[in-house]
Amino acid sequence: DQQVKQNSPSLSVQEGRISILNCDYTNSMFDYFLWYKKYPAEGPTFLISISSIKDKNEDGRFTVFLNKSAKHLSLHIVPSQPGDSAVYFCAASAGDKIIFGKGTRLHILP
Amino acid sequence: GAGVSQSPSNKVTEKGKDVELRCDPISGHTALYWYRQSLGQGLEFLIYFQGNSAPDKSGLPSDRFSAERTGGSVSTLTIQRTQQEDSAVYLCASVQDRDRDGYTFGSGTRLTVV
Repeated sequence: DQQVKQNSPSLSVQEGRISILNCDYTNSMFDYFLWYKKYPAEGPTFLISISSIKDKNEDGRFTVFLNKSAKHLSLHIVPSQPGDSAVYFCAASAGDKIIFGKGTRLHILP
Repeated sequence: GAGVSQSPSNKVTEKGKDVELRCDPISGHTALYWYRQSLGQGLEFLIYFQGNSAPDKSGLPSDRFSAERTGGSVSTLTIQRTQQEDSAVYLCASVQDRDRDGYTFGSGTRLTVV
């Protein structure tokens, strides 16, 4: 039973354009959501987070949007850069454990 | 050290053998997590240690898996009688208290069971 779902295994975006990565969740007890970025042969690194009391959090080129009624969140990257090519994991927490999705591989095209 | 260190980085073992994977967390981090990523899958929670509390073992897939954390620092994940489905990247993360933004992951151990 997948509690955090990333339905797009991969996404290709032109450099300079906006990348939008989507995530759905099923557990209404989740109160904190995160995005992690992972390069090959490295561990995931924290990117941005959002509390369930907010609907938007912005950090530089990265913005996370949360729609609680739809149990949906998205990560916007604008403008997309070559170094953004990586696997992005959506994650959610209802306490001390963080549950991760399967990831979306983002390719930034030159 | 500056980050979370995991060893070995790669391990190939024969089916039926036991393996031990090691994690050195960031000094002073009170919590330590083990996850694994199988091919095409997300990060699957395995076990969680927080301070001196009893570990949360709810993610361990079978009784062949066990983990310990000695002295509140180094952790060892042991897989007994390995099976081919155990092949995965095993990732360790440590965090200070309950800072949910503060998970720091190691680079993982890639385990291949042949």
